[in-house]
Amino acid sequence: EDQVTQSPEALRLQEGESSSLNCSYTVSGLRGLFWYRQDPGKGPEFLFTLYSAGEEKEKERLKATLTKKESFLHITAPKPEDSATYLCAPGGRDDKIIFGKGTRLHILP
Amino acid sequence: DTGVSQNPRHKITKRGQNVTFRCDPISEHNRLYWYRQTLGQGPEFLTYFQNEAQLEKSRLLSDRFSAERPKGSFSTLEIQRTEQGDSAMYLCASSLYRTGGRSGANVLTFGAGSRLTVL
Repeated sequence: EDQVTQSPEALRLQEGESSSLNCSYTVSGLRGLFWYRQDPGKGPEFLFTLYSAGEEKEKERLKATLTKKESFLHITAPKPEDSATYLCAPGGRDDKIIFGKGTRLHILP
Repeated sequence: DTGVSQNPRHKITKRGQNVTFRCDPISEHNRLYWYRQTLGQGPEFLTYFQNEAQLEKSRLLSDRFSAERPKGSFSTLEIQRTEQGDSAMYLCASSLYRTGGRSGANVLTFGAGSRLTVL
């Protein structure tokens, strides 16, 4: 059965303190690994899609990378507005996209 | 396009009552997904449609839950005989699925969700 695990569950950083979020997955026939951001009371908002091991994508202070079993979301010099829950979602052969529990990120000013 | 619209945004009901949620996807999107999310958890897959066809329904979903997308446009999610454990945020998302190409999995655009509270 397809599975996805995110760590840590929660992370508190000082403004400017870089770190990485982890997403480990087991999916049959990966057809895309998605990262989303979710603010409280809102639906998830798309950030990146990664398709193959070795691929990297960047957007402002965020960079996502992919291996055959993991994906990382690197946050460089974060700001308080980066505080949110970050969700990892692998899409398998059946196109049923499953989500991890997310990492709640809090950036302290 | 105004994005994915969900109604109602909030619903409070008593245990045992039936509730129905509606989702209006982005007009050109052919796929529509329903997820359920509880506090501190990620979205849990419930079901998805391509046009009017329901392609998959979660094995975890009880028979009290039913979803339809009769004309391949809007969708409804009905919960019969609600229980307190049904209290959650119900999220709808849509995507434009293209066969072939680099990947068949497409980017989901989510609505703001419908929050259900069962008393």
